[in-house]
Parts: sequence; structure tokens; C-alpha cells
Amino acid sequence: DAMVIQNPRYQVTQFGKPVTLSCSQTLNHNVMYWYQQKSSQAPKLLFHYYDKDFNNEADTPDNFQSRRPNTSFCFLDIRSPGLGDAAMYLCATSSRGQGARQETQYFGPGTRLLVL
Amino acid sequence: GNSVTQMEGPVTLSEEAFLTINCTYTATGYPSLFWYVQYPGEGLQLLLKATKADDKGSNKGFEATYRKETTSFHLEKGSVQVSDSAVYFCALSVQAAGNKLTFGGGTRVLVKP
Repeated sequence: DAMVIQNPRYQVTQFGKPVTLSCSQTLNHNVMYWYQQKSSQAPKLLFHYYDKDFNNEADTPDNFQSRRPNTSFCFLDIRSPGLGDAAMYLCATSSRGQGARQETQYFGPGTRLLVL
Repeated sequence: GNSVTQMEGPVTLSEEAFLTINCTYTATGYPSLFWYVQYPGEGLQLLLKATKADDKGSNKGFEATYRKETTSFHLEKGSVQVSDSAVYFCALSVQAAGNKLTFGGGTRVLVKP
């Protein structure tokens, strides 16, 4: 089945130690998103890639970076994790066409990050 | 701006009871509307969607109708099961806003046997 895959499902890191979360998709979607979710609150969009174009949200801390080496993969890098960065990180994808009015985002299972 | 308001939880029900979760929205432009469900420890799953007024989305016994006149997209299920216990998010997207999702605050539903 086509899907969005996130690895690992659980990640433990130390305060200040860089960590990378990964997302892959078999949907061949051209848009990939990263969200942060705390305590079953609504997910908060960090940034997204539309093809190779990176789009950062205005309030995303500089501590968060992303890479998209190809259509299938996208990475979230946290350069110096703080205790406040402990959260569920969700990857999502969608297919965006020229002038398409409607997009549907499909989410992966998430990676829960614990910062010690 | 765009916003989604949904009823606060938790909503506690007995098995086979009727479930309604209210969702209203404000949007600049013509939104698409979504319900996502999140089971404990999991990501969000698309439950159903509607892209134009009077459309009804349905899936797994859940239904929601896009009501433009009342700017609402209420989620209903006629007979819930214990396995429906989850957090439900109402959301919208508008092309003019880059199709980014605007979420409601989520409603936790607990179904007891």
C-alpha cells in the first residue's frame, strides 16, 4: 500500500545533541510537510517542501531545519534540542497540481521525541 | 483569517450511542473541509472530507455535511464502538492560503463498553 513512513517511531536524544528524524513516502506526492504536536493539541506546521522549494513558517525556530534530497524522502534536523522540543513530529504529504483548488494531506504515524 | 472551532472534550459515551462533534469555521475564500482522527500514539488519519457546499463525506460509519450557510461541518456516527475512542480534528484548507491546514483544537472521544 502507498503510504507515508516515519522512522524511528520513538527517538530519545540528549539536551543539545543534534537529532534527525526521517520521513519517506511511496505516494509520489510533490509536497511534504513537517508538523510538531504536543499533548494531543492540534499539529503546528513547521515547514514544507513543494518539490524542491522550501517554505518555512514565520514562527519556526532556527533550531529546526529540513532537507529533501529527493521526492521520496524528507528529513527534520533539530540542531540543539531543548526540553521544550519534546513532542510528536508528524510528516505529511500531498499532491499539488497547477491551479489545483483542493489538496488532501496524508500523515505518517509520527515520531515521538524525548529529550533528556 | 481562517479558523476552526470544535467542541471541547472529552466526550464520554457508551457503546452504540450516537456521536456528534460540532465544528464551525471561518474562512477567507472557499475552503475544503476535513475530519482527521488520531488514535493513541499514532499519527493523523484522514477520516473524511468535503470540497464544496452540500457535499457529504462519509467513511467507517462517520458522516459530515459541508454546510456553507451555517459554516459548519459537524461529524456524526450513529452507533459508536470502543474502537472509536480517539481524538478527532476538524480542519480546513484554502487555496489562497497555500492549502495549509487550519486545525480545530481537537475533541477527545472516549467510548465505554
